[in-house]
Amino acid sequence: NAGVTQTPKFRVLKTGQSMTLLCAQDMNHEYMYWYRQDPGMGLRLIHYSVGEGTTAKGEVPDGYNVSRLKKQNFLLGLESAAPSQTSVYFCASSYWPSYGYTFGSGTRLTVV
Amino acid sequence: QQPVQSPQAVILREGEDAVINCSSSKALYSVHWYRQKHGEAPVFLMILLKGGEQKGHEKISASFNEKKQQSSLYLTASQLSYSGTYFCGTEMGAGGTSYGKLTFGQGTILTVHP
Repeated sequence: NAGVTQTPKFRVLKTGQSMTLLCAQDMNHEYMYWYRQDPGMGLRLIHYSVGEGTTAKGEVPDGYNVSRLKKQNFLLGLESAAPSQTSVYFCASSYWPSYGYTFGSGTRLTVV
Repeated sequence: QQPVQSPQAVILREGEDAVINCSSSKALYSVHWYRQKHGEAPVFLMILLKGGEQKGHEKISASFNEKKQQSSLYLTASQLSYSGTYFCGTEMGAGGTSYGKLTFGQGTILTVHP
């Protein structure tokens, strides 16, 4: 099983450019999450989804949009990238609340 | 609010024990523990639920003090492979109502030397 797959693994953007990060899971999990990880700050929740067709805001949603058109995919979009969005982005999925997360391998994004 | 982990860093020799703590000012439903090695994704270790239920790896032990909203992760007879950053993630609200959203601590760096 592949688990949770994130693409791309690395990306450099110029300020103002847009991009989409893809998260795909093959475990039939209902719940999916996007976190960003910055040095010394742990992981912070950006957006999450409790099932196909649903999305909701997390702790730090500004500047990001998400979509979950198919159960297995959760997309994170940056419409106009800013240097403050330089971070490592992790996608995670869970079968049910209070089950453990399975994380993807991360996307390292640099905005210059 | 972000839970507070202590200590921030621990250095051990193989075979030594360590305890990592996670404290919250909010009432918790569950506490999750993850380990992350440098440049890799966090890996699930254990969940402790309000009421005493635990789910996780057999070789990992942890506790959850519901009165104090504190959890501790116990690493015994440490091995080189235990090195990494340990994160606690806290879930508030009754089961299911918070949709599994976690607030993570800042992490504890554990280094095990031969």
